[in-house]
Formats: sequence, C-alpha cells, structure tokens
Amino acid sequence: DAKTTQPNSMESNEEEPVHLPCNHSTISGTDYIHWYRQLPSQGPEYVIHGLTSNVNNRMASLAIAEDRKSSTLILHRATLRDAAVYYCILRDADDYKLSFGAGTTVTVRA
Amino acid sequence: DGGITQSPKYLFRKEGQNVTLSCEQNLNHDAMYWYRQDPGQGLRLIYYSQIVNDFQKGDIAEGYSVSREKKESFPLTVTSAQKNPTAFYLCASSALSRTGELFFGEGSRLTVL
Repeated sequence: DAKTTQPNSMESNEEEPVHLPCNHSTISGTDYIHWYRQLPSQGPEYVIHGLTSNVNNRMASLAIAEDRKSSTLILHRATLRDAAVYYCILRDADDYKLSFGAGTTVTVRA
Repeated sequence: DGGITQSPKYLFRKEGQNVTLSCEQNLNHDAMYWYRQDPGQGLRLIYYSQIVNDFQKGDIAEGYSVSREKKESFPLTVTSAQKNPTAFYLCASSALSRTGELFFGEGSRLTVL
C-alpha cells in the first residue's frame, strides 16, 4: 500500500502557482521523498526528490516540513502542459517495493 | 539513446490466452518494476526485481508471472488466471538507491476481447 496521501484533484489558472500537498506521516528518517508526474497516455516522469531541505530544479520546487511528515510540490507558474497526475512516493534504501497511490490530478485553466 | 523500451504498444487478445509483454532497458539499472493502470486510476505494483534471477510480488501479483534472466530484460506474462487483464501496463527501472529516479517506458495497452 502507498505510504503517502494526496488530494484527488486540484485546479489552477494558467501562469499562477500550484501547491500540491502530500502527507507521509509514517516516513522514516532515511526515506527520500520523490515526485513524479504522468501526462495522459504516457508513462510517469521524474520531477524532483528531497530528504530534509527544500529543493529546486527547472521543473518545480519541493518544500519539506520540518518534521518531514508532509511535503509540498510547487509549480511556480502553471502552464497548460503541466496538466497531469502528480504522484508523491517514498524511497527507502532497503525497501524496493515502490507503490504509488492515486496521485493528484491537476487541471490548468487557460 | 538510453531508456526503457516496452513492446508491443497495443495488444489485442482473446479471453483465456496468455500474453507476454516485453520490457528492455539499457540504463544498466539493477531494479525493474511492472505496474498496472486502469482508466482514471493510479499505478498498482505487480512485480519487482532487484537482481537477476530474483523477483518479488507486488500488491496485485495474482494472475501474472515474470522472469529476470538478464539484467536488461524483465518480461511480464499475463496469464489466463488474471480475471480482468484489460489495462495499461507500465515497466520501470531504477538504480538501487534512495535517490535513484524511476525511468518508465511508454506503456503497453492490453485489450482482451
């Protein structure tokens, strides 16, 4: 079973920021938080990952709560191409059973 | 180019027939995965493998079988025991690391008539 919980859906307007929450209350000290997104009829693609500190890359930012029980993926300026399902998963060095939940479906309005 | 190749992209089969989906990677990854996705649903883990000649059941392994005879290959067989096999199947691979990202193939869409 997935170790994370996410809202089913979120809507945003084009060029506005999108904040996607993920709860992982049972996270262990060595789990990394990974985010992926899936465009329609495609395989998921990697977005970002982090352990404790906030992370930025060209696609998004990842803000991790101080207690690490939740995190937020931030899309700074949503475009129509960001409409996808976003998944948050945990990766542990000793557990390679990577289960995904249902993810959050993001809709971007023009 | 490095990546994961799944074939076929589309597959139609009659009920009761076994089908095998191919997954090949040239990323030198140790770990490989198979997921199933139904319309409007998330990904569900079928099987995964961390090393050649070894694999483990995921959350929905019943009616499926796999093999890992080579590091780069992880074929999935959908057997006649799978009650509802029509779905989108995704293969992925990654390094054996907490920071290793998963690379996914383009998927195979199986329709059982």
